[in-house]
This record gives sequence, C-alpha cells and structure tokens, in this order.
Amino acid sequence: EIVMTQSPATLSVSPGERATLSCRASQSVSSNLAWYQQKPGQAPRLLIYGASTRATGIPARFSGSGSGTEFTLTISSLQSEDFAVYYCQQYNNWPSPFGQGTRLEIK
Amino acid sequence: EVQLVESGGGLVQPGGSLRLSCAASGFTVSSNYMSWVRQAPGKGLEWVSVIYSGGSTYYADSVKGRFTISRDNSKNTLYLQMNSLRAEDTAVYYCARVGGYCSGGSCYSGYFDYWGQGTLVTVSS
Repeated sequence: EIVMTQSPATLSVSPGERATLSCRASQSVSSNLAWYQQKPGQAPRLLIYGASTRATGIPARFSGSGSGTEFTLTISSLQSEDFAVYYCQQYNNWPSPFGQGTRLEIK
Repeated sequence: EVQLVESGGGLVQPGGSLRLSCAASGFTVSSNYMSWVRQAPGKGLEWVSVIYSGGSTYYADSVKGRFTISRDNSKNTLYLQMNSLRAEDTAVYYCARVGGYCSGGSCYSGYFDYWGQGTLVTVSS
C-alpha cells in the first residue's frame, strides 16, 4: 500500500506571505494526486486534482506542482480564510490513502 | 447543484451494527463512483470504501469483511452497512462523489469532488 507523507506537520506563516506545503508518496503515483482544505467543523474541500489543476471556484493563489513521488501545494499571498488543515491524497489506485495533514496557522 | 446529505450516525455498542445513508441530489449516484471517507476525532482523513458505477466495490483493510457499501438507484442514495463495530470505528463518516477527467486520450478518477457534511458514529459501551 502506498504511504503519503506530508511536511511539515505545522506551518506558521504571516498573512500576505507565501506558504509551501509538501507531500511525498512512497512510490510513484504519476500525477494522480489531489489536495484538500479542511476548516474546523467542516467537510474537506477539493482544491487541486491531477497534481496541478485547480478545482472549480478555487482562487488562483492556490497552485499545485509535482509528479511521481514529490508534490507541492503553494498558496501565494495568504488570506485569513486560508488558515486550515491541508491534506494530500493519491488516487493512482485503491486503497486511496491521505497524508496525515499539514496545519497552516497564523504567525 | 450537487448535494450530499448523510444520516444514520449515532451511538452504538461494540459489536453492534449501523447503516449510514447518503442522499444525493443534482447528479445520479449510479452513474458515478461513490465513496465513504471517515475521520476519527482530532485525526486525519481515512478512505473507507468505494463503489464503481458498474457495481464493483473496494474496501480499506481496516473495514474489509465488516462494512458493505451499496446504493439504491431508485432513491439516488448511497449506503454503508457497518457490522461488528469497534471503538476504533468511532469517527465522522463522509460520503463523497468520486471525480474524474480525461486528458490526452486517457481518463483518470479517484479524487473526491463533492462531500457531504458528515455523520458521527460513536462506538462505546
């Protein structure tokens, strides 16, 4: 089974700055990777699929990159509503594990 | 507008059973892959099960043999039958539609483009 590892566990960034979150797969998942945002008490929201394609309605400040085993989610110019937990998920095959999450907090 | 509404959660004793429902609107459940994802209190997301439009099903090892995913096409509803429940099954259970796209002559699916609000299952004596 593929294992997804996210880093760092917690990231402290000031509003207006850039945040870079990482996700690593234990074996290649090609570009079959998605990113989600989850706020307290809410369901996750799809941000990125296909490693780099923004989902409908997602602002352009969110961007994804990578392929194979190394992936990055970049949020340029952080807004107050961006502080949340972010998860990556591989969907190259089932089972479809998520990473353990990165908590993005206000510095 | 796509909507997913879960129900059926609650408190159940270890070894007991529970059936979760997920009523869909704005799309046809039987024409899509559908999944259940859970989240234990204060923990991350864990994929549980998927049902393909053709009816094939897959499960996480942690629930295989105990949980069954199914759907009722006439009600446009997804289900998760949970038997032999354990304390470690305590979680918010989300239903999710599996999204897909085609590019360069190939098609890919497996991410979750729409989620319900979740229903809490607590397994405790």
